[in-house]
Amino acid sequence: DTAVSQTPKYLVTQMGNDKSIKCEQNLGHDTMYWYKQDSKKFLKIMFSYNNKELIINETVPNRFSPKSPDKAHLNLHINSLELGDSAVYFCASSQPIDKTQYFGPGTRLLVL
Amino acid sequence: AQSVTQLGSHVSVSEGALVLLRCNYSSSVPPYLFWYVQYPNQGLQLLLKYTTGATLVKGINGFEAEFKKSETSFHLTKPSAHMSDAAEYFCAVSSYNQGGKLIFGQGTELSVKP
Repeated sequence: DTAVSQTPKYLVTQMGNDKSIKCEQNLGHDTMYWYKQDSKKFLKIMFSYNNKELIINETVPNRFSPKSPDKAHLNLHINSLELGDSAVYFCASSQPIDKTQYFGPGTRLLVL
Repeated sequence: AQSVTQLGSHVSVSEGALVLLRCNYSSSVPPYLFWYVQYPNQGLQLLLKYTTGATLVKGINGFEAEFKKSETSFHLTKPSAHMSDAAEYFCAVSSYNQGGKLIFGQGTELSVKP
């Protein structure tokens, strides 16, 4: 059973398009996150949701909009894609008392 | 603000040799510290963590790390490297007042020579 899953795994698209990445966790965790890993492998937090409520928004352009339909799902919608959005996007989840974040396999986004 | 510095973007060791990956952190409140490993084209897997209690923590695959508050360090070690240890390693910090977000170091790529 996959604990944190993401779809799609690979995404190649043109500049200016709108795309979504989906994340689901079956761990029963209350908190979910989106991280971005750039071409130099640097990882940075983008958003965090706790029980469907946004709790962290790290100065991400408003072209990025997370949506949490329920606490097991956290999707990321990106409008008007730019070349600089090319990266690997990781979803993660945690239970606050445990403090450990469990990561999904990543979505590799390439904007042409 | 919290930060993490990993000394050495690339570390190369021979199979069977000691692995030492360095991590220093900055935090104004008691930190929670983590080491994650990333194999090529995969997600991040937790190796070990320190939250409270014993400062020497043991993780998976024979790795361990020691939290040294006086040195603000959390270095990762393994007595004997294996070819399968070749990967990217990330040190990360979080705290109770940061909403659980992880602040990552730059990563260290470990190569293991036969």
